[in-house]
Amino acid sequence: QVTLRESGPALVKPTQTLTLTCTFSGFSLSTDGMCVTWIRQPPGKALEWLARIDWDDNKYYSKSLKTRLTISKDTSRNQVVLTLTNMDLVDTATYYCARIVVSPIVSAFHVWGPGTMVTVSS
Amino acid sequence: EIVLTQSPGTLSLSPGERATLSCRASQSVISSFLAWYQQKPGQAPRLLIYGAANRATGIPDRFSGSGSGTDFTLTISRLEPEDFAVYYCQQYGDSPPYSFGQGTKLEIK
Repeated sequence: QVTLRESGPALVKPTQTLTLTCTFSGFSLSTDGMCVTWIRQPPGKALEWLARIDWDDNKYYSKSLKTRLTISKDTSRNQVVLTLTNMDLVDTATYYCARIVVSPIVSAFHVWGPGTMVTVSS
Repeated sequence: EIVLTQSPGTLSLSPGERATLSCRASQSVISSFLAWYQQKPGQAPRLLIYGAANRATGIPDRFSGSGSGTDFTLTISRLEPEDFAVYYCQQYGDSPPYSFGQGTKLEIK
């Protein structure tokens, strides 16, 4: 059974760097075709895709947030880490991670974590 | 980047009625890599439909997806009380960026 869970601070101050961890089980990020992605959702608003990291360490980022985002993986610990620098009030959101499989064909986001709410406030 | 526009923004219907939700893409979605998700308050989105027309595991057959190119539809044949939620479409081609629609809220009339 594939599961994912997000963790990180519930509150950050403006200008700080947010670090979130996605801890997963039921698959390995060293297996061909496995990927983990991050999505966020401000309160009452739509979903926004943020970043993806692949088994071969390829990384993809949202164009609008590319300069502030970094995604990395620790395969031995089954974790993916997302950092977002220079946090602002508009970054207040629930942050989700999800698994994607891209081989033999790309999959939709079949499995999501429950999400973690991050509030930006001074 | 593909922009997805969902309509209507809010749909008010009664249990037992048929719901039709629309998703229009700004350019053709490759290989129909179009998905639909259902989201209830306080919960993560749940995948309903992938590949434009394939139901995800455990999804009741009252949910169906159709369309290709730039126009896609999610149909719920007979609404159950638990179907009232927000629905998002998403395109997920071979390479990111991915994009989501702005959502359709399905509310009880």
